[in-house]
Amino acid sequence: AQTVTQSQPEMSVQEAETVTLSCTYDTSENNYYLFWYKQPPSRQMILVIRQEAYKQQNATENRFSVNFQKAAKSFSLKISDSQLGDTAMYFCASTDSYGGSQGNLIFGKGTKLSVKP
Amino acid sequence: DGGITQSPKYLFRKEGQNVTLSCEQNLNHDAMYWYRQDPGQGLRLIYYSQIVNDFQKGDIAEGYSVSREKKESFPLTVTSAQKNPTAFYLCASSIFRSGGENYGYTFGSGTRLTVV
Repeated sequence: AQTVTQSQPEMSVQEAETVTLSCTYDTSENNYYLFWYKQPPSRQMILVIRQEAYKQQNATENRFSVNFQKAAKSFSLKISDSQLGDTAMYFCASTDSYGGSQGNLIFGKGTKLSVKP
Repeated sequence: DGGITQSPKYLFRKEGQNVTLSCEQNLNHDAMYWYRQDPGQGLRLIYYSQIVNDFQKGDIAEGYSVSREKKESFPLTVTSAQKNPTAFYLCASSIFRSGGENYGYTFGSGTRLTVV
């Protein structure tokens, strides 16, 4: 079965510092999509960033950027200038590689990030 | 504003009872999904539907049932056959169409189900 692996169950960072969350995935497809979602204590899932696999350029959204290494099947999230509001669970997700379910997302188990003042 | 509404926010179920979780979207999305979230387990797919009157089992469908009679609605029933139903349930939708671009999901705010 296709899997998404987040190897860091918990991380912490000082306010204003930079932190990188790791994610690896497996897929047999050449074209797919990768996502990072944020789940703050309210438990509302929020899309942070999206990457199209056929695009070489790493996606960026303000303080959030990714390091997409297609050959290594790695998709890490970098948060710059960390803020207290970044405290949340972060989930990495990949589109499913199976036929009719290609719209489905496969999620990792999450990384709990704490930003300390 | 468009979005997904899940209700209720909290739900308590007695042993042996069926309960239904509501999910409604006004985003005109074709696809809808139900995920279960447990501590340390991430999100696991229960059921999904890409079109009205059609739905498919996900990875953990046993003890659950769904219907998709309207594009806007995708209710989930947790039956008495589900032995460990206490969890946080998330509904999502997407504009995905086969062969098209994937912009990810829009999520509802979730329902916390507890067996009492």
